[in-house]
Amino acid sequence: SQTIHQWPATLVQPVGSPLSLECTVEGTSNPNLYWYRQAAGRGLQLLFYSVGIGQISSEVPQNLSASRPQDRQFILSSKKLLLSDSGFYLCASGSGELFFGEGSRLTVL
Amino acid sequence: DAKTTQPPSMDCAEGRAANLPCNHSTISGNEYVYWYRQIHSQGPQYIIHGLKNNETNEMASLIITEDRKSSTLILPHATLRDTAVYYCIVSPYYGGSQGNLIFGKGTKLSVKP
Repeated sequence: SQTIHQWPATLVQPVGSPLSLECTVEGTSNPNLYWYRQAAGRGLQLLFYSVGIGQISSEVPQNLSASRPQDRQFILSSKKLLLSDSGFYLCASGSGELFFGEGSRLTVL
Repeated sequence: DAKTTQPPSMDCAEGRAANLPCNHSTISGNEYVYWYRQIHSQGPQYIIHGLKNNETNEMASLIITEDRKSSTLILPHATLRDTAVYYCIVSPYYGGSQGNLIFGKGTKLSVKP
């Protein structure tokens, strides 16, 4: 089975600061990769998905961006964080049966 | 928007079967029913999926009605560690734009001693 590594696990950042969350995948090649966000008390919202290197699709407009520089690496970034960017960010891999990482909890102050 | 409807919460006694219902009346012929669960502050965990037939694995059983408009996830002997939010999702099998899993609010299952 696949293993998804995410870091950092916890992050506290001021408004207007940049962001970089990283995700790497083990146990598979050429996976579909996803970034989800879960705001406090809410369901998971799909932010980005990628079917290959350099191929990124965005599901919702926002000040976040994603990149896939290598087959099993997926990065979520922002140039300037907003308060509304706070949440629990999850990286996932797969098709149908998704494997999720342990998440990165971001608090923007 | 999620294409499924689930009760917001359920309780179950430890050792008893937990039956979690899900309505998906607009399911398409090529869509599977997936179940995931999320224990507090962790990433979701895949449980089971099915298309038409009932399915069983080491974690649970999935019962899909003949018209495919609803399903039930059965945890045969619930334990305290099964306390989690359970998500029912319908989606085509393959990933990408056609296969993104849209998570609703799920059912919060509380297993009580």
